[in-house]
Amino acid sequence: AQSVTQPDIHITVSEGASLELRCNYSYGATPYLFWYVQSPGQGLQLLLKYFSGDTLVQGIKGFEAEFKRSQSSFNLRKPSVHWSDAAEYFCANDMRFGAGTRLTVKP
Amino acid sequence: DTGVSQDPRHKITKRGQNVTFRCDPISEHNRLYWYRQTLGQGPEFLTYFQNEAQLEKSRLLSDRFSAERPKGSFSTLEIQRTEQGDSAMYLCASSGQQSYGYTFGSGTRLTVV
Repeated sequence: AQSVTQPDIHITVSEGASLELRCNYSYGATPYLFWYVQSPGQGLQLLLKYFSGDTLVQGIKGFEAEFKRSQSSFNLRKPSVHWSDAAEYFCANDMRFGAGTRLTVKP
Repeated sequence: DTGVSQDPRHKITKRGQNVTFRCDPISEHNRLYWYRQTLGQGPEFLTYFQNEAQLEKSRLLSDRFSAERPKGSFSTLEIQRTEQGDSAMYLCASSGQQSYGYTFGSGTRLTVV
C-alpha cells in the first residue's frame, strides 16, 4: 500500500535561510509525487509535482523538489525563506498524504 | 472557472443526525476526491470518483459514510448517525489527470455536538 512519511513535524528557520523539508514514500507503480502548502485558515495549494522526466522540479513561490528513486525521497527545498512561507506543508504520493510539516519562520 | 466549491462551509449537528455535503468540481475535471482532515493531521483519503464511477474507497471508511457522483459532475458525501469523532474538515478535490495534482475546495467544517 502507498504511504508517505514526513519525518519532521515542526521546523523553525530564520528568514533568509535555506529550507529543506523531507518526504519519503512507498508506492506500487509509477510515483505521482506532490507538495502542497496550507496556510492557516486557507485551503491546500499545489506547489509542485513530479511523475516522470527531470528529477528536479520547479514549483511556485521559488520552491523546488528533487525525486531520488534510490532513497524513495522527494524533498522540498527553497534557497531563501520568506516570512510568508510560514505554513503547513504536505507531501503526497498520488492520493495519499503525509502528516505534514509545520514551518515557522523567525525574523 | 471558479475552482472547486463546497457547501456548506460549516455544519453543526447533533450526534445521531445525518448530514450531507456537496462538492462542485472544476467543470472539465473528471476525477473527484473526498478527504477528511483533523487538526494537526494531513488529509486522510476517503474516496475517489472517475466520472460517475466510484473507483476506490478507504477501508477506514465506515458504512455510515456514503458518496455519490450521479452524473459525473457534482458529488455528495453523506454521513449517517453522526458521532463526535466525525468532527473534522471535509475536503473535496478534483483533477483532470492523475499526474496533474489536485485543486482543493475550501472544505466543509463539521462539528458534532
